[in-house]
Amino acid sequence: EIVLTQSPGTLSLSPGERVTLSCRASQSVPSNYLAWYKQKPGLPPRLLIFGASSRATGIPNRFSGSGSGTDFSLTITRLEPEDFAVYFCQQYGTSPRTFGQGTKLEIK
Amino acid sequence: QVQLEQSGVEVKKPGASVKVSCKASGYTFTNYDISWVRQAPGKGLEWMGRISTYTGHTLYAQNLQDRVTVTTDTSTTTAYMDLRSLRSDDTAIYYCAISRSADYFQYWGQGTLVTVSS
Repeated sequence: EIVLTQSPGTLSLSPGERVTLSCRASQSVPSNYLAWYKQKPGLPPRLLIFGASSRATGIPNRFSGSGSGTDFSLTITRLEPEDFAVYFCQQYGTSPRTFGQGTKLEIK
Repeated sequence: QVQLEQSGVEVKKPGASVKVSCKASGYTFTNYDISWVRQAPGKGLEWMGRISTYTGHTLYAQNLQDRVTVTTDTSTTTAYMDLRSLRSDDTAIYYCAISRSADYFQYWGQGTLVTVSS
């Protein structure tokens, strides 16, 4: 099983700032099949990025994904108030599909 | 538009079973596969298993494969997740989610809260 470790656990930032979230895999993710999701309280996750760097439909271009192998990142330029949420990475290159434990982005 | 409508809140006793449904609409049912993902209160996401709606082939997380069954009814475009021998640590929100060529999830159900308590 591929274990995904996200860092940091919590980030306190202000609107307008830039942030990079990290997701490290315990072994190489096949075909860089790595996705990122955002989740607000009481709602299901929302897909942001798939294939490590492809934005999902309707996702603004301030969100970008990068990385390969075992190291992946999600960058958000110019944080908007609605961006404060929990972010999860997920690998779907092998079974079982696994998720990181999440990074909480909170308003400073 | 794609919609995944899940069944309502469930409260079960330890040792019981629960069956959660996920009614799909707005797309061709057999064009997308269905996974189930759960989230314990205040915790992260756990993939439970998936089914190919075209072939019926299933794949389960190893830690759940003895207790979970995922099925579909193509005539009603509904998927089901059956979890047996419930324990208190099965208390969670259960989501269905669909995927096409690979298991990243563009569309999710609204979630079903299952509480296991004596």
